[in-house]
Amino acid sequence: QVQLVESGGGLVKPGGSLRLSCAASGFTFSDYYMSWIRQAPGKGLEWVSYISSSGNTIYYADSVKGRFTISRDNAKNSLYLQMNSLRAEDTAVYYCARGGVGYSMDVWGQGTTVTVSS
Amino acid sequence: QTVVTQEPSFSVSPGGTVTLTCGLSSGSVSTSYYPSWYQQTPGQSPRTLIYSTNTRSSGVPDRFSGSILGNKAALTITGAQADDESDYYCVLYMGSGIWVFGGGTKLTVL
Repeated sequence: QVQLVESGGGLVKPGGSLRLSCAASGFTFSDYYMSWIRQAPGKGLEWVSYISSSGNTIYYADSVKGRFTISRDNAKNSLYLQMNSLRAEDTAVYYCARGGVGYSMDVWGQGTTVTVSS
Repeated sequence: QTVVTQEPSFSVSPGGTVTLTCGLSSGSVSTSYYPSWYQQTPGQSPRTLIYSTNTRSSGVPDRFSGSILGNKAALTITGAQADDESDYYCVLYMGSGIWVFGGGTKLTVL
């Protein structure tokens, strides 16, 4: 079945770094664009970053631009989010999502929790 | 900065009909924004309900429908059920690989 599984979350100090991974299965990963979306505790969803199916086109939300880097390895069916210079406001559950028809996000992972705290 | 607006909360009686909206702080929502809607219950990942304004995602009951009402996107639930009690998020595609989510609507069924 179509599945996305995130990993790599944890507790990190302000200014630290973390790399999230998203393992895809059940579909041809290289055919789909992917996104990262996050949700701070008790808050709404926030789109973070987009990567095209080939990895050649990338976009970021202003809140993470210059600090986060999205990438993918189509041979490994994996999506990544390298997060540097982390701040307390980056504390959230991070979801990876598959790009669907009509610019939707049609499949979501279960999320991985990132906590930035000293 | 683009802000997508949603009602913070809404209440509906079981069996009733409710329409949640998704607007822009400046301007009108049109089909060109490809509005989509997601349902999220506590502790769960979001579930896709509607994409491209009015297309139901696979497996979504037909009591959920999407539309453009005036200058906003809308999600209508007809015949609300207890398990429709969730948070509902809209998201608009702004172009160039950028999406903006609304703040979400907490729907209570009582």
